[in-house]
Amino acid sequence: LAKTTQPISMDSYEGQEVNITCSHNNIATNDYITWYQQFPSQGPRFIIQGYKTKVTNEVASLFIPADRKSSTLSLPRVSLSDTAVYYCLVGDPTGANNLFFGTGTRLTVIP
Amino acid sequence: GAVVSQHPSRVICKSGTSVKIECRSLDFQATTMFWYRQFPKQSLMLMATSNEGSKATYEQGVEKDKFLINHASLTLSTLTVASAHPEDSSFYICSARVQGGSNQPQHFGDGTRLSIL
Repeated sequence: LAKTTQPISMDSYEGQEVNITCSHNNIATNDYITWYQQFPSQGPRFIIQGYKTKVTNEVASLFIPADRKSSTLSLPRVSLSDTAVYYCLVGDPTGANNLFFGTGTRLTVIP
Repeated sequence: GAVVSQHPSRVICKSGTSVKIECRSLDFQATTMFWYRQFPKQSLMLMATSNEGSKATYEQGVEKDKFLINHASLTLSTLTVASAHPEDSSFYICSARVQGGSNQPQHFGDGTRLSIL
């Protein structure tokens, strides 16, 4: 089970790009990297998932280096509504081992 | 997209009451659903894996006689907190994966806030 390490908190001004890095040194061959966003009193919401290199969707990009021991979630031009906790999960999506949440990163966007 | 619905969203009741929480996958089938608990300012803690047609698998330290899970159909799992006490007050969240395909992420419900007086 790959343990993840993320910064506890980050602050950013509106309109800036935010990069949140997650370390997962013991990631396994079959493991994928998945990021979720959680607002207070709501369930987590899927943001993006990837295996290697770069993945981009309409809300974020995910950068994964060749060794896959870390990953970076990139949020372009954040707004106040992006203030939330962001979780990085690592595991095999077809199995039962990517179900464990780490501490997450509390992002605060400042006007 | 895949939607998971939880009901009720909030429960306030007296100590000793049993509380049932429902988790439904609205537009997909889920042979497996997951139940989490989240205390204020903390991360989500996996409680159990709910398996359709069979017994749930509980994480270490979670009392199966206290947190009763039933997964009777491919779209519904229920969590019953038996004889709830104030220490059971928490935010309970369920999730499910879309069956078939590969690399499917979990889809989460919006949680149930349980407050035991």
